[in-house]
Amino acid sequence: GNSVTQMEGPVTLSEEAFLTINCTYTATGYPSLFWYVQYPGEGLQLLLKATKADDKGSNKGFEATYRKETTSFHLEKGSVQVSDSAVYFCALSWAGNTGKLIFGQGTTLQVKP
Amino acid sequence: SQTIHQWPATLVQPVGSPLSLECTVEGTSNPNLYWYRQAAGRGLQLLFYSVGIGQISSEVPQNLSASRPQDRQFILSSKKLLLSDSGFYLCAWSDGTGLYEQYFGPGTRLTVT
Repeated sequence: GNSVTQMEGPVTLSEEAFLTINCTYTATGYPSLFWYVQYPGEGLQLLLKATKADDKGSNKGFEATYRKETTSFHLEKGSVQVSDSAVYFCALSWAGNTGKLIFGQGTTLQVKP
Repeated sequence: SQTIHQWPATLVQPVGSPLSLECTVEGTSNPNLYWYRQAAGRGLQLLFYSVGIGQISSEVPQNLSASRPQDRQFILSSKKLLLSDSGFYLCAWSDGTGLYEQYFGPGTRLTVT
């Protein structure tokens, strides 16, 4: 079946460091891919998305590219801030699935000043 | 614009007591609705989803049930809570078309004592 695998956390970085959070997926057909962010005590917010191969989603300095050849959707940011500390979830959905999302297990990011 | 509400925000209930969590969406019609549970330090587990009034699909058999009495209202219930029902409950909606991205509410923190 379809699934999403994220790198295990926690990831601890210093402010202004480069961030990569790996996400790979298993899916038939052409899923849509998403990154969500969850700040402490809050619900999930959609961070970015991509709907077809080679699409690049971007938002708030974060970006991820839909790589069908490697079935990956890695999240990157060039310079993280303390305020980026949160849990990041990779997810996928596909047509005819009543909109259900398949989530990865989440990766906790902690940015230290 | 669309908004999603959940209440209560926090709840402490004894084992064996009933539960009712409510979720409402504004600014859209005929949304797909979802209930997730997030145990402490873990990922999201889809509990129920609904594509229309009175239409409920269960993903995981358990102590909980869901109902959709109105187009934009989704209720999560239990007749008798278990300790294992503790967690962070998130409601989400999608428009069921296009990219199937979901939008999440602020969540309800449930502690069963």
